[in-house]
Amino acid sequence: DAMVIQNPRYQVTQFGKPVTLSCSQTLNHNVMYWYQQKSSQAPKLLFHYYDKDFNNEADTPDNFQSRRPNTSFCFLDIRSPGLGDAAMYLCATSRTRGQPQHFGDGTRLSIL
Amino acid sequence: AQSVTQLGSHVSVSEGALVLLRCNYSSSVPPYLFWYVQYPNQGLQLLLKYTSAATLVKGINGFEAEFKKSETSFHLTKPSAHMSDAAEYFCASLYSGAGSYQLTFGKGTKLSVIP
Repeated sequence: DAMVIQNPRYQVTQFGKPVTLSCSQTLNHNVMYWYQQKSSQAPKLLFHYYDKDFNNEADTPDNFQSRRPNTSFCFLDIRSPGLGDAAMYLCATSRTRGQPQHFGDGTRLSIL
Repeated sequence: AQSVTQLGSHVSVSEGALVLLRCNYSSSVPPYLFWYVQYPNQGLQLLLKYTSAATLVKGINGFEAEFKKSETSFHLTKPSAHMSDAAEYFCASLYSGAGSYQLTFGKGTKLSVIP
């Protein structure tokens, strides 16, 4: 089945230690999104790629970066995780902008 | 700016009872509207979508929603709740215009189903 896969499902890192979360898709969608979801809150868009075009949300901290080396993969890099960055990180894709988004199962990030 | 309001952060229904989850949007132009469901420790799954075709939209798992422009509403219903429906539900709007494509989520409604 075509899908959005996030690895790992659970990630533990130390305060200030860089961490990378991974997302891959077999849908061949042009757009890939990264969301942050804290407990009992709605997902918050961090940024998205339309093909190779990177679009950062105005309020996304500089601590968060992203890479999309090819159509299938997208990475979320957190350069110096703080305690406030503990959350579920969701990757989503859509065929193009304005189309329904398909979500992965998320990576739950814990900070020690 | 768009906004989506979900009335009731927590709704409890008995198994077999009607499920009604409320969603209102604010937009001068009718947006695309979606309902997503999220089970614990999982991503969001699309239940149904409204894209300016039929105003009554049928989705998966027996859910449906009706777009009412006069009320700026897109409430989600299911005639008979199952235990497996217990989850968090998010209403979202997408205004496809003026270069803006951001999906705006409501704060979510957690549905509990009582046996």
